[in-house]
Amino acid sequence: ILNVEQSPQSLHVQEGDSTNFTCSFPSSNFYALHWYRWETAKSPEALFVMTLNGDEKKKGRISATLNTKEGYSYLYIKGSQPEDSATYLCAVNNAGNMLTFGGGTRLMVKP
Amino acid sequence: GAVVSQHPSWVICKSGTSVKIECRSLDFQATTMFWYRQFPKQSLMLMATSNEGSKATYEQGVEKDKFLINHASLTLSTLTVTSAHPEDSSFYICSARDGGVGELFFGEGSRLTVL
Repeated sequence: ILNVEQSPQSLHVQEGDSTNFTCSFPSSNFYALHWYRWETAKSPEALFVMTLNGDEKKKGRISATLNTKEGYSYLYIKGSQPEDSATYLCAVNNAGNMLTFGGGTRLMVKP
Repeated sequence: GAVVSQHPSWVICKSGTSVKIECRSLDFQATTMFWYRQFPKQSLMLMATSNEGSKATYEQGVEKDKFLINHASLTLSTLTVTSAHPEDSSFYICSARDGGVGELFFGEGSRLTVL
């Protein structure tokens, strides 16, 4: 079983602040990393899938980077808005195709 | 994105009852569906992988006779928690993809409470 860890577990920021959080994973047998956004009472929504070392993806105010050699990914949110409040999950595929989730980072953005 | 519908979203049952949860892909054919369980304050944990028309592959520690998975069509997978007990109370969520190692689409989840 992969050990996928996310930090911090929860985060409170003020509207307009930029923020970032981390997903760390074993670098051996890495295949792909996924970021999901999960709002309460809704389905997790896929944000990014990244496979290559140095990958950077962006969707609006949200971006992510990947370092497969050292085993981490950062998710950045620029100018946080209350509607960004959600749990952000990362999940890692290893070469055996098993998908392992981290514990999530719960973001709360105060107006 | 594609839509996966899960039903019921909330179920409360007595100990010893069997509960069936359905996971449907509404606008694509899901060759592979996954079932997860999340206990409070813990990560989503993969329970099993089901491929249409074949037996599910269960993760270590998940009892296949307790959690029956059926993936009889390309748009429907069911998870039956047989003879549920209070320790089975959890959040169960499914996901699906139409092939390859790409984007997963999740259902809304089902919260099971066993009294």
